[in-house]
Order: sequence, then C-alpha cells, then structure tokens
Amino acid sequence: EPEVTQTPSHQVTQMGQEVILRCVPISNHLYFYWYRQILGQKVEFLVSFYNNEISEKSEIFDDQFSVERPDGSNFTLKIRSTKLEDSAMYFCASYPPGSSVNQPQHFGDGTRLSIL
Amino acid sequence: DQQVKQNSPSLSVQEGRISILNCDYTNSMFDYFLWYKKYPAEGPTFLISISSIKDKNEDGRFTVFLNKSAKHLSLHIVPSQPGDSAVYFCAARAQTSGSRLTFGEGTQLTVNP
Repeated sequence: EPEVTQTPSHQVTQMGQEVILRCVPISNHLYFYWYRQILGQKVEFLVSFYNNEISEKSEIFDDQFSVERPDGSNFTLKIRSTKLEDSAMYFCASYPPGSSVNQPQHFGDGTRLSIL
Repeated sequence: DQQVKQNSPSLSVQEGRISILNCDYTNSMFDYFLWYKKYPAEGPTFLISISSIKDKNEDGRFTVFLNKSAKHLSLHIVPSQPGDSAVYFCAARAQTSGSRLTFGEGTQLTVNP
C-alpha cells in the first residue's frame, strides 16, 4: 500500500539554526499538510498546500516557517531560525483527489525535531 | 483549542470484550469525523470515518457512531484484540474552513490478553 515517507526520522539541531524536514507524499495525491505534536500535547495543524501554493495556515505557521514542493515528489517544511519550543514531532500528510471531499488524510511516521 | 475533546486519557479492556472510545466536539460546523490509531514511533493511521449526514458507519470490528445533537461521537471495537492496543485520536474537519483536521488529545487503549 502506498505510504507517506518522511526523512529524517530524528533531527537534532542547535537553537537558531535552519532545519528542513522532508516528505514524499503518496504519488497521486494533490493536497499536502504539515502537522506537529509537542510532547504531551495535541496534534496541531500547521499548513496545507495545494496547486503549488499555501491554501491554509494556522497561527503557529509564522514567518519562521515555509513550505515548498521543489520537484514532483518532495514536500518540505523549513524552519529558518529554530527555537527551543519548535521541538516536536512533525507529521506530513497527504490527501487524494476524488469526487468525494470526504477522504482521509494519510500521515507519515513523523520527524522528531529536537532543538538544543 | 478545545474544539475536539477526548476526556479519557486511557482505557483498559479484556481481550474479546467491547472497547468504547468517546469524543466530544463544540464546533457545529464540523461535517466530517475520523478516527486514527497511532502506535509508538509511527504516524497516525486512518481507521474509520463518518460524514455528518450519517449517524453510524461500520467497517469490520470497528463502528463509529455520531450523535449530532449531543456533539458526540464514539468508536466501538468488538471484539477487542491485543493488537488494538494503541493511542486512538478523534479528528474533525469543517469543510467551510478548509481541509485542516482538528484533533482530540487521544486515548490510550490497552487490550489485555
């Protein structure tokens, strides 16, 4: 069964450094998402991406964050200058096109980001 | 963000019995609800969903019930198996607000052999 893949599985970065998290969505999916889960908290929506542009973003997704689909397969989340509070699990998800809008999002296994 | 709430952080049941996981929501614009299962070190895996025009959806051992007037949904697993032990997340979407999912806190289900 096709799946969303994320790399790396664990990223350790010094505070203030830039980090790029990578995702390969399921190949025929057109909608892409980033969510995060801080330890002990809920899974939170960050951003959605469709047709090569951001379609929706949360208040968490400030100017430090950006997303890109640099080629036909990868979808990346960049954090420009990381802060301690950016430490979390980051999940990528994708969502298929179809006649029904009621389709589930499919999640990758996440990248654990640890900011030191 | 308290729009989706799972009040039970944990649930323990015996193998073969029914597991009932509950979820409450406050946003009346939610029109699509999902349950995800999550094992440690893995991402959420889609389990079952229900549209707001239905009150029940069944898939094998899993049934989701939706009570719109009470803004409550539940996931029934019967019979429960030890492999069902995982964290279960309730999630909801309001189509009028885009396609983002709003998650509950999760419930850790433990099925004892």
